[in-house]
Amino acid sequence: GIQVEQSPPDLILQEGANSTLRCNFSDSVNNLQWFHQNPWGQLINLFYIPSGTKQNGRLSATTVATERYSLLYISSSQTTDSGVYFCAVIGGSQGNLIFGKGTKLSVKP
Amino acid sequence: DAGVIQSPRHEVTEMGQEVTLRCKPISGHNSLFWYRQTMMRGLELLIYFNNNVPIDDSGMPEDRFSAKMPNASFSTLKIQPSEPRDSAVYFCASSALGRADTQYFGPGTRLTVL
Repeated sequence: GIQVEQSPPDLILQEGANSTLRCNFSDSVNNLQWFHQNPWGQLINLFYIPSGTKQNGRLSATTVATERYSLLYISSSQTTDSGVYFCAVIGGSQGNLIFGKGTKLSVKP
Repeated sequence: DAGVIQSPRHEVTEMGQEVTLRCKPISGHNSLFWYRQTMMRGLELLIYFNNNVPIDDSGMPEDRFSAKMPNASFSTLKIQPSEPRDSAVYFCASSALGRADTQYFGPGTRLTVL
């Protein structure tokens, strides 16, 4: 099945810093989503982005499907950005959403 | 609009007891998913319904687990009998147009089996 690798596994930032999270996948995809799991455990949908670039406030994401990776950019980080960021993909038309292991982000005040 | 609703939010039970988790998907969504999250295995799909019909249950761990979707606005995940290794967070998610569409997750049910 399709493999999803996220890097880095852990990231510590000072408030106000920028960061880039990466998601590599092993096959072509027709669904790619980025999620934020906050410290209370809730999974929040950030982007649906199987290809192209999207922006939402301080967050943006780019997926280069031909090169099998996606990037999540967080600018001017805030303590509320802390949590785990998951990339999840579906490869092929009949597959299920496969999650990476996540990047744990800690933003210090 | 209300998101995906799950109940209960927390459940503590003893080994051998029956556990029922409940989910109300987003109104108008035709697909519903049950996921389980553990430290060891991460997030994994248990079962996927489309138009109330189970399409893929290959992730259901064993016969102790069963899921139903009697109508478009309600689904249950039942574990009988429960075991300590079933302790996990169980998420329900829904989407408007199948697996390849954006999936929206509920707040999860944290299950502890003693």
